[in-house]
Amino acid sequence: AQSVAQPEDQVNVAEGNPLTVKCTYSVSGNPYLFWYVQYPNRGLQFLLKYITGDNLVKGSYGFEAEFNKSQTSFHLKKPSALVSDSALYFCAVRDIGGGGFKTIFGAGTRLFVKA
Amino acid sequence: NAGVTQTPKFRVLKTGQSMTLLCAQDMNHEYMYWYRQDPGMGLRLIHYSVGEGTTAKGEVPDGYNVSRLKKQNFLLGLESAAPSQTSVYFCASSTTQGYGYTFGSGTRLTVV
Repeated sequence: AQSVAQPEDQVNVAEGNPLTVKCTYSVSGNPYLFWYVQYPNRGLQFLLKYITGDNLVKGSYGFEAEFNKSQTSFHLKKPSALVSDSALYFCAVRDIGGGGFKTIFGAGTRLFVKA
Repeated sequence: NAGVTQTPKFRVLKTGQSMTLLCAQDMNHEYMYWYRQDPGMGLRLIHYSVGEGTTAKGEVPDGYNVSRLKKQNFLLGLESAAPSQTSVYFCASSTTQGYGYTFGSGTRLTVV
């Protein structure tokens, strides 16, 4: 069965510093991997995805993520954090080998960026 | 360019009452999903649909029913609401590739 883990409930970073939000996954086949962001009282917004190809994928708002197959990780990164990046971030995985129509979401990591 | 629209946005129910949440998408997506979001648990899939007239159970389907009579609409029903169903409900849709979901803004449901 597929699963995804976000080991940190909360990440705190100062504005201008680099940020990393961690994600590890488990699937039986090849994964599709995603990051979403949720601002207060809003639905989730798609940030970026890994399907195949280059392990470093770039997404919206200057975010990027690196797919590491050996470590089964897909950490979200940004070189310089903004206060406006403060939000709830979800990692998600879909097991394409399992013929799945279902995407599994992690529990979420709350990012606080301090001015 | 509405995307995914959920109604209502807020609702308070008494235990045992019934209600229907409506999700409508205007992107011609084949797949639609209902999730519930609870603190510390992320999003859990309730039911999903891979096309008009089809539905399937997700992780937490008990106490919920769904219907997809039209491609653009996906309804979530609670026949007899329970306090354990207090949650924020999100509808989402995607293409058949599932390369990324488009979410609605959510329905906050409280069952007292």
